[in-house]
Amino acid sequence: QQQVKQSPQSLIVQKGGIPIINCAYENTAFDYFPWYQQFPGKGPALLIAIRPDVSEKKEGRFTISFNKSAKQFSLHIMDSQPGDSATYFCAASPWGAQKLVFGQGTRLTINP
Amino acid sequence: NAGVTQTPKFQVLKTGQSMTLQCAQDMNHNSMYWYRQDPGMGLRLIYYSASEGTTDKGEVPNGYNVSRLNKREFSLRLESAAPSQTSVYFCASKVAGVETQYFGPGTRLLVL
Repeated sequence: QQQVKQSPQSLIVQKGGIPIINCAYENTAFDYFPWYQQFPGKGPALLIAIRPDVSEKKEGRFTISFNKSAKQFSLHIMDSQPGDSATYFCAASPWGAQKLVFGQGTRLTINP
Repeated sequence: NAGVTQTPKFQVLKTGQSMTLQCAQDMNHNSMYWYRQDPGMGLRLIYYSASEGTTDKGEVPNGYNVSRLNKREFSLRLESAAPSQTSVYFCASKVAGVETQYFGPGTRLLVL
C-alpha cells in the first residue's frame, strides 16, 4: 500500500526552467519529508529535507514547499541544469521512525 | 571510508536458484535496510535491522530472508529465485538519532 504518491512519473524541462515535482501523503503521523536524488547506476542520496514546522526550505537551487493542511509537499529546482537530470524520490516518515516510505520516483531530464 | 558497499554488482540467476546479496558499511551505523527498486514502484523496503541482533519485515518481505551478521554486515538471501524478483536491490544504513539513510551502489539481479 503506497502511502506517498508522487507525480509526475517523468518530466522534461529546458535548461534554466523550473521543474516541480509533487508528493501527497495520507498518514498524519508523518513529520519528516526528505527528497533523494539518484543518478543512473548509483544509489539514491539525500538532497534536502523538511519538517512541518516550516512551510519552505531552500538549499542552493533546490526548494521544498510544504502544505500541511493539504498534506502535500513539492520540490522546485531553480535555474535547472543538465547535471540535474536524475531520478528524484520523495519520502516520508514519523520523526525518529526506523522506516521511510518512498514515492514512486520522477525521472527528470533537463535539455541543454 | 568506503561507505556502503554491495556485492555482486550484477547477477543472472535461473528460476529456482538461490543466492545471497552482501552489504557492508564502515560508518558504524546502527540501522541497515534492504530495498528493491522497480520502474514506477519507487523504493520498497524488504527488510530492515534497527540494531545488531534484530531484523524486521518491511513492505515486501515474501521470498526473502536476511541476516544481520554483525554491526557492519547485513545480507539478503533469495532461497528460490523467481522472475518477479528481477530488480535492482539497494542496501542502506543510518546512524541512531539521524534521519539520513546512506545507500550503496546497488545490485542488479536478473532472474530468467
